[in-house]
Amino acid sequence: SYELTQPPSVSVSPGQTARITCSGDALPKQYAYWYQQKPGQAPVLVIYKDSERPSGIPERFSGSSSGTTVTLTISGVQAEDEADYYCQSADSSGTYRWVFGGGTKLTVL
Amino acid sequence: EVQLVQSGAEVKKPGESLKISCKGSGYSFTSYWIGWVRQMPGKGLEWMGIIYPGDSDTRYSPSFQGQVTISADKSISTAYLQWSSLKASDTAMYYCARQSPGEYYFDYWGQGTLVTVSS
Repeated sequence: SYELTQPPSVSVSPGQTARITCSGDALPKQYAYWYQQKPGQAPVLVIYKDSERPSGIPERFSGSSSGTTVTLTISGVQAEDEADYYCQSADSSGTYRWVFGGGTKLTVL
Repeated sequence: EVQLVQSGAEVKKPGESLKISCKGSGYSFTSYWIGWVRQMPGKGLEWMGIIYPGDSDTRYSPSFQGQVTISADKSISTAYLQWSSLKASDTAMYYCARQSPGEYYFDYWGQGTLVTVSS
């Protein structure tokens, strides 16, 4: 079955840049999406179609793609960015099944 | 305003059945896929499956096929997730979410329904 792999944790100091990666064999053929989830809340989309930012999401959130890896970058990290981040994509085999990465806990030191 | 409102928390015993709901409002319910996502305690998000209320076309993750049933009643703009025989391992938060039209992501989420299965 299709899998997306993320690092379990990333730590940065306030004002620094955080980069969270997501790897998957189908990523060259399928877009990736990123969600932020804070404790006790439903996930919120922060990046769609690899690098597009929904309205209302701060400019410090950006996304990029290279081969089988996509990256969520948070520039000038703020304390409020501490959360779990999940990548998500779709199976490219035509079965219309989606998958989430295992999630990355971003800690702001 | 688009809203997905889920039914309240449930406490059940192993072997019992359960059906939780997700009511959509503020948009054309029959025109958007609705998906279900599981989050076990302290764990990540898992895509369970998705339904198109317009014609009840349903797709399941292999991990959940045969374990749950996803359905919808378009007359009352409500999607459902049901179990015929719960297990302790079904204890989790369950979210419904709307698929963005023509895209492969969720743009609106319900508030979640906590299901606890314990003897």
